[in-house]
Amino acid sequence: GQNIDQPTEMTATEGAIVQINCTYQTSGFNGLFWYQQHAGEAPTFLSYNVLDGLEEKGRFSSFLSRSKGYSYLLLKELQMKDSASYLCAVSPNDYKLSFGAGTTVTVRA
Amino acid sequence: DTAVSQTPKYLVTQMGNDKSIKCEQNLGHDTMYWYKQDSKKFLKIMFSYNNKELIINETVPNRFSPKSPDKAHLNLHINSLELGDSAVYFCASSHPGLAVASYNEQFFGPGTRLTVL
Repeated sequence: GQNIDQPTEMTATEGAIVQINCTYQTSGFNGLFWYQQHAGEAPTFLSYNVLDGLEEKGRFSSFLSRSKGYSYLLLKELQMKDSASYLCAVSPNDYKLSFGAGTTVTVRA
Repeated sequence: DTAVSQTPKYLVTQMGNDKSIKCEQNLGHDTMYWYKQDSKKFLKIMFSYNNKELIINETVPNRFSPKSPDKAHLNLHINSLELGDSAVYFCASSHPGLAVASYNEQFFGPGTRLTVL
């Protein structure tokens, strides 16, 4: 099975940086995804890592260490619109995504 | 031009009733999914279909019966609804092994909020 852990909540100030950690244990590994979900909306894809290292995409970066079963999502220059839930998800095979419980990020002015 | 669509968006019904939720994708994907997101926001996979064939059934009660008439549609029928079925149900699609993409990104529909009274 899969076990995915991430913090429940984080709060940060506009313009700051926040790092959301995710640890996982999985029976197979086909990549790790981060999704963003605003309240009342569908999850939307942010990033994908399958090899160790950092993937950067504008203000968002995601890091993976497969040997440690660890990833983080880094949000820079926080904006009010970044207030959302951030979901870490592991793909053990082509046909499945197992999600963590999500981290609710609140950005304060 | 909606990629993954679901109907209805809201569904309020009485315990014991039978209801269906429909999902359609126009992305040309060959794999579709149903997820349940409970009040604690935990998103859990229920079913996965590839080319109309059931691939994953995550120990969902057999009151839930998915049906895929073709690759673009995956409907969910729920019999004898219970209070615990209240949740948001998301449909998603992807295309594993697509030559253009190197990863299996899933695209989610807008969700159906089911409330059982």
